Amino acid sequence: DIQMTQSPSAMSASVGDRVTITCRASQGISNSLAWFQQKPGKVPKPLIYAASTLQSGVPSRFSGSGSGTEFTLTISSLQPEDFATYYCLQYKSYPFTFGQGTKLEIK
Amino acid sequence: QLVESGGGLVQPGGSLSLSCAASGFTFSDPHMDWVRQAPGKGLEWVGRVRNKVNSYTTEYAASVKDRFTISRDDSKNSVYLQMNSLRTEDTAVYYCVKSRVGNVFDAWGRGTVVTVSS
Repeated sequence: DIQMTQSPSAMSASVGDRVTITCRASQGISNSLAWFQQKPGKVPKPLIYAASTLQSGVPSRFSGSGSGTEFTLTISSLQPEDFATYYCLQYKSYPFTFGQGTKLEIK
Repeated sequence: QLVESGGGLVQPGGSLSLSCAASGFTFSDPHMDWVRQAPGKGLEWVGRVRNKVNSYTTEYAASVKDRFTISRDDSKNSVYLQMNSLRTEDTAVYYCVKSRVGNVFDAWGRGTVVTVSS
C-alpha cells in the first residue's frame, strides 16, 4: 500500500499568513493526488484534484503543486474560514490512502 | 446530491446495510465510493464500485475485504454497502462519495453513523 505522510500534523497561523502543507507519498503517484478540507462536525470539502486543479467554486487563494512523491497545498492569504483540518489523498493505486491530516489553528 | 441511510447501532458480529440515494447528476457515469471516519480520527477509504463502462467492478480496503460488499443499481440511482461480521473498529461515520470522469471524490453525502457495540 502507498503511505501518505502529511507535515506538519498541526500548525497555528494568523489571518493573512501564507501557509504551506506538505504531503509525501511512499512511492511515486504521478499527479494522482487530491486535497480536502474538513471543519469539525462537517463533511469533507473537495479542494484540489490532479495535484493542482481547483475544484469548482474553490477560492483562488488555494493552490496545489507537486508530482511523484512530494506535494504541497498552499493558502496564499489565510482567511478566518480556512481554519480546519486538511487531508491529502492518493488515488494512483488501490487501496486509496489518505494522509493523517493537518490541523490548522488560529494563532 | 447524495443522501445516505441505514446507519444505526449493531452488535459485534452483526450485519448492516447502508444505502446512498443520488440525484442531480447522471448516476450511471461516475464511480462511487464509500469513505469512513471513526470518532476523532482521520478519513479512511472503504471501497469503490466502478461504473457500467467498467463492468461495475469493485475494490476494497484490506480492513473490510471479505466482510463488506459494495453494489449499485443505476436504475434506482443508488449505491449500497452491505456490512457483515461487524467489529467495534467499524464504528464510524460512513460517507457516500462520487468521482466523475476525470475527477475524484468531487461530491460527498452528509454521512450516516454506524455504531458497533454490545
